[in-house]
Amino acid sequence: DGGITQSPKYLFRKEGQNVTLSCEQNLNHDAMYWYRQDPGQGLRLIYYSQIVNDFQKGDIAEGYSVSREKKESFPLTVTSAQKNPTAFYLCASSYGDPRDYGYTFGSGTRLTVV
Amino acid sequence: AQSVTQPDIHITVSEGASLELRCNYSYGATPYLFWYVQSPGQGLQLLLKYFSGDTLVQGIKGFEAEFKRSQSSFNLRKPSVHWSDAAEYFCAAIMEYGNKLVFGAGTILRVKS
Repeated sequence: DGGITQSPKYLFRKEGQNVTLSCEQNLNHDAMYWYRQDPGQGLRLIYYSQIVNDFQKGDIAEGYSVSREKKESFPLTVTSAQKNPTAFYLCASSYGDPRDYGYTFGSGTRLTVV
Repeated sequence: AQSVTQPDIHITVSEGASLELRCNYSYGATPYLFWYVQSPGQGLQLLLKYFSGDTLVQGIKGFEAEFKRSQSSFNLRKPSVHWSDAAEYFCAAIMEYGNKLVFGAGTILRVKS
């Protein structure tokens, strides 16, 4: 079955370390997105990519980096510059005009800084 | 500013009772509107969407939503809630072509037996 796979489901990081969250999709979707979810704040857009080798900053890109070398993959790196990285991270993708179909979401990665 | 507001952070209803979750948007025209549901520790599942046509939209799991232009609202409803409906519900919108999905803060639904 097609879908979005995020790994790992839980991730622990020491302060000062970079960590990379994986997002893979086999839906043949062109666009991919990373959102951060904090309690009571909904989902906030970190980065998005509409085509391979191109990506744009979202509303809260500081302290994060991404790459889009393959259509299927959109990894997110949380750098040591991110002041408060503990959160639930959701990857999504969309087909064609997302106004028509919305986004498809992965099951998320919970990152905890220890 | 373009935004989506969900006024209720938590709602508790009895099993079998009706449900209405509120959503308001701030935008000069009619956006594309969506309702998503999230079970704890999981991703988001699309319940329904609206852009034009009939203002009462049917979705999955027995949910429906009504668009009211005069109130800039897109409230989610269900006639009879089941315990399995306990989850967090997000209203979202795409305001313009090329813009991204903007989410409300979410409403946590608790179902009591």
